[in-house]
Amino acid sequence: QSALTQPASVSGSPGQSITISCTGTSSDVGGYNYVSWYQQHPDTAPKLIIYDVSNRPSGVSNRFSGSKSGNTASLTISGLQAEDEADYYCNSYTSSSTWVFGGGTKLAVL
Amino acid sequence: QLQLQESGPGLVKPSETLSLTCTVSGGSISTNNYYWGWIRQPPGKGLEWIGNIYYSGSTYYSPSLKSRVSISLDTSKNHFSLKLNSVTAADTAVYYCARRLGGSSNCDYWGQGALVTVSS
Repeated sequence: QSALTQPASVSGSPGQSITISCTGTSSDVGGYNYVSWYQQHPDTAPKLIIYDVSNRPSGVSNRFSGSKSGNTASLTISGLQAEDEADYYCNSYTSSSTWVFGGGTKLAVL
Repeated sequence: QLQLQESGPGLVKPSETLSLTCTVSGGSISTNNYYWGWIRQPPGKGLEWIGNIYYSGSTYYSPSLKSRVSISLDTSKNHFSLKLNSVTAADTAVYYCARRLGGSSNCDYWGQGALVTVSS
C-alpha cells in the first residue's frame, strides 16, 4: 500500500484559513469514511484532531474541520494561530483491513 | 484517564529482534470494541502504521512489515507487545502505541513514544 499524498508544506498568516489535502484511492480514502487527522508538535506524540472524516474529539477547537470529496480528504484550519504551527498527518482505513498514513504536511504560521 | 506507556530496550543490534511493551493504565485492554496498535516514526520522517490487535486477539499488520512483525496481548498484565525481527538501521524510529475505537478512525490515546536505535 502506498502512503496517502499530502503537500509537504503549507503556510498562512495569523487569522487566515488554510486547507491541507490528503489524496488516496478508492481502496482507502474514497472507499470509507474512516479518515482521521493528527497534529504533531516537535518531540511530542501525535494528537487526534479529526476522526471519521469530519468529527472533532472533545476539547479540540472548532477552528479545525474536515471533509472529503471522492478520493481526497481535506483538513481546514480557520483563524490561524501561532500555536497551530506543527506537522499534520492524515490516516485512512484501507480495503485490506489495514491503515495508511499520509506523508505529512508542515504548517508554517508566518 | 487512560494512559499508555511504551517500554523496552533503546538499542538493538542489526539482525536481532526489537521488543517493546505498551502498558495500559486507567482502563482494561480487554474492553469490548477497542484495537491496540503500534505506529512508528523514523527520525525526521513521517508516521508509519505497523499493526493492530483487537481486544479479542485478532491481528492486522502492515503489508510491508507483515513477514517480520508480531503483536500480542497479555490481559493478566494489561499490556500488549510488539516484536519485530531481523531489524536493520531502517527500523530505527520512535515507536508509539495507541488505542483505536472499533468501527471508527478514532485513535484517541497515544503513548509518549520510545526511541529504538538499531546499531552494532
